[in-house]
Amino acid sequence: QVQLVESGGGVVQPGGSLRLSCVASGFTFSTYGMHWVRQAPGKGLEWVAVASYDGSRYNEYYTDSVKGRFSISRDNSKNTLTLQMNNLRAEDTALYYCAKDRAYGGSNYFDYWGQGALVTVSS
Amino acid sequence: EIVLTQSPATLSLSPGERATLSCRASQIVSGYVAWYQQKPGQAPRLLIYDTSNRATGIPARFSGGGSGTDFTLTISSLEPEDFAVYYCQQRSNWPLTFGGGTKVEV
Repeated sequence: QVQLVESGGGVVQPGGSLRLSCVASGFTFSTYGMHWVRQAPGKGLEWVAVASYDGSRYNEYYTDSVKGRFSISRDNSKNTLTLQMNNLRAEDTALYYCAKDRAYGGSNYFDYWGQGALVTVSS
Repeated sequence: EIVLTQSPATLSLSPGERATLSCRASQIVSGYVAWYQQKPGQAPRLLIYDTSNRATGIPARFSGGGSGTDFTLTISSLEPEDFAVYYCQQRSNWPLTFGGGTKVEV
């Protein structure tokens, strides 16, 4: 069955950096787009970024608030999705979910989710 | 950015009743709307995609409809496990966006 396991969360000071990873299993990782979606404590869902199935830089997209600070990447040989987060702000505090795209090639809907990695930005 | 406005914020119903949730987009999204269910402490679950297509394993009591800028999720007869928060999401334009959620409570 499909499994997505995030790691790398923690507490970091404003301006600091953190790297999240998501290891996938149970499906052919290299044929699906992968996303990061976050949820601030007690709040709704916010899409963060997408990496296309082949990791092409031309098909990376980000929500405006993280552009220039976050970078998404993937290693299809290791079934791993990564989110590098730099210059973190208090408003980045959230549970970060790794999510699989529903369709081969990309549909931008999310059919499987991990359990999340908690990122807390605080001094 | 396309803003999705969900209403009502909270829906108070009883098991067996019909629930109708609304999602309004700030511009036309061409039917590219999905619905998710989230229970406390759990990750969201995809229910409906492309307005009206049920995701794998989703019971038939969940249905979606709408067009243009106005979309609905209907739960025909609420089961105890359906009390949760529901989010709509659009994929028509970047960035992908979610609505603020509707809580269905007893």
